[in-house]
Amino acid sequence: GAVVSQHPSWVICKSGTSVKIECRSLDFQATTMFWYRQFPKQSLMLMATSNEGSKATYEQGVEKDKFLINHASLTLSTLTVTSAHPEDSSFYICSARPAAGDQETQYFGPGTRLLVL
Amino acid sequence: GQNIDQPTEMTATEGAIVQINCTYQTSGFNGLFWYQQHAGEAPTFLSYNVLDGLEEKGRFSSFLSRSKGYSYLLLKELQMKDSASYLCAVMESNYQLVWGAGTKLIIKP
Repeated sequence: GAVVSQHPSWVICKSGTSVKIECRSLDFQATTMFWYRQFPKQSLMLMATSNEGSKATYEQGVEKDKFLINHASLTLSTLTVTSAHPEDSSFYICSARPAAGDQETQYFGPGTRLLVL
Repeated sequence: GQNIDQPTEMTATEGAIVQINCTYQTSGFNGLFWYQQHAGEAPTFLSYNVLDGLEEKGRFSSFLSRSKGYSYLLLKELQMKDSASYLCAVMESNYQLVWGAGTKLIIKP
């Protein structure tokens, strides 16, 4: 149990296009989902916290108009990178906190590797 | 401010023991996590410590000292598949994780 999926697993796109990444909790409901970004040889950086039915909370320095987050249901959150540029190339990872359970629990998705040409 | 320090890289021999240290300074504390991350993959959960002391789980053990802001991950009977990055992460008062940069562990035969 407690599986989180991400789609796509990797994507290559041209500069200026938008890319949508989906994060799904497959066998549990998640009131909160987290979006992280990880550049090579660096730690995970929290981009935003997504709560079902409300606006996402973005970390300082993350542009909310560039990284659109939608958490429309208890099992799905999406991250859209708008007008992607090469510097947005990174490994994007989501995690989900179950609606029932400890606040400390997070289950990670497998990640989405984005390459912007 | 937030600060989590762990060594960048360590090398150990197959079958041996290695200890990866982590020191932290964060806003509040709701536990410390260790994750394993293989290249190109998402982190996988190894351990969670919220009270002082040693937690043992098979070949892996994790220790926490809250007063010292210090933790270590101990890996015994190292196997080649243990070659990975090991991430230390602290959960702050708001239940958000603050991550260290990770320690790349290289296992040699």
